[in-house]
Amino acid sequence: DAGITQSPRHKVTETGTPVTLRCHQTENHRYMYWYRQDPGHGLRLIHYSYGVKDTDKGEVSDGYSVSRSKTEDFLLTLESATSSQTSVYFCAISVRQGDYGYTFGSGTRLTVV
Amino acid sequence: DQQVKQNSPSLSVQEGRISILNCDYTNSMFDYFLWYKKYPAEGPTFLISISSIKDKNEDGRFTVFLNKSAKHLSLHIVPSQPGDSAVYFCAASATGTASKLTFGTGTRLQVTL
Repeated sequence: DAGITQSPRHKVTETGTPVTLRCHQTENHRYMYWYRQDPGHGLRLIHYSYGVKDTDKGEVSDGYSVSRSKTEDFLLTLESATSSQTSVYFCAISVRQGDYGYTFGSGTRLTVV
Repeated sequence: DQQVKQNSPSLSVQEGRISILNCDYTNSMFDYFLWYKKYPAEGPTFLISISSIKDKNEDGRFTVFLNKSAKHLSLHIVPSQPGDSAVYFCAASATGTASKLTFGTGTRLQVTL
């Protein structure tokens, strides 16, 4: 089973502050994704990565940036947190192109006050 | 624009009976469909999938049906068990899109005794 951990699990931050969420995998999977889950919206893709330093935007990327300097780590940064970014954030990994059976992390619950 | 829709936010079914969860999609480029199951405070877990070249896929108590002409898929759980109580997300993907998934809004299934 692929190991994937997200940190922190919970965070409360103030409006306007930068926040970085971390996703760490132990299996060297190529594809990594950041989703947010909100009531009435399901899970929506923020950004994804298809290799070290190779990233691209998802459907709700405004206000977020990502970095992947090592295969195992995929960081999501909120440059200046807003209340609309209060959400549960999930990281997911995929073994290869065409493998849709993602493994998800346990999530980070972020509250922006 | 919600490309994957789950119009029933919740469903209650008695233990032992059949649960039917429905999903509609609008993007004709989608050619792979999945169902994920999510318990509270956990990440979603992959349940079952179907390619657009098939109209049915079965795995134990779970069967997914695909009607391409209607752009509709459904998940059947027979017999339903209390441990099936969770939120179920329908998801879809198109070939050549880096395995990105578009999720529906979810249906909360409650299996009662």
